[in-house]
Amino acid sequence: TQLLEQSPQFLSIQEGENLTVYCNSSSVFSSLQWYRQEPGEGPVLLVTVVTGGEVKKLKRLTFQFGDARKDSSLHITAAQPGDTGLYLCAGPQGGKLIFGQGTELSVKP
Amino acid sequence: DTAVSQTPKYLVTQMGNDKSIKCEQNLGHDTMYWYKQDSKKFLKIMFSYNNKELIINETVPNRFSPKSPDKAHLNLHINSLELGDSAVYFCASSQVQGIGELFFGEGSRLTVL
Repeated sequence: TQLLEQSPQFLSIQEGENLTVYCNSSSVFSSLQWYRQEPGEGPVLLVTVVTGGEVKKLKRLTFQFGDARKDSSLHITAAQPGDTGLYLCAGPQGGKLIFGQGTELSVKP
Repeated sequence: DTAVSQTPKYLVTQMGNDKSIKCEQNLGHDTMYWYKQDSKKFLKIMFSYNNKELIINETVPNRFSPKSPDKAHLNLHINSLELGDSAVYFCASSQVQGIGELFFGEGSRLTVL
């Protein structure tokens, strides 16, 4: 059983469209992180959300932590081809960071 | 200057062989990790070391033996390679064990034929 469920697993959209990626759990997390991984590279941290209900913005990316700290979302406005990659949510559990199964985003010009 | 560097980037080998992957971090972190990313891109922790001491071993077969000669290095040796070991192995480090930002290397893609 996956502790962090991400949806959708795959997303292919046109440049300029908006999209939302979800990360859900039945467990409460003290914080959640979002990483982006490009082909041939390791994941790189985008943001950490810590407080229930928190909203953080990174240019066209908006991250939200659920009020109950069991879920998070990543919204991208006006997606660009440079946003293409694997988006991973991660949370601390039992002294280690566990990851969702990822969302592969492809933005076509 | 690469923060977390691992070598080699690619390994192709036959079943039954032994191989090693090396990892070094220059961030001054106390904690280092090995993660395995399978063909479905799922990233799963294998080992965690804190200041050269093994902290987490996620029921990995004992064919996998990590070694940390000092807190800046964490190597992974794999004996008797099997087809199912084919994956991308990532080394990572963090300032604090189990929480906070992970800094990943570029990954080592292992293909077992």
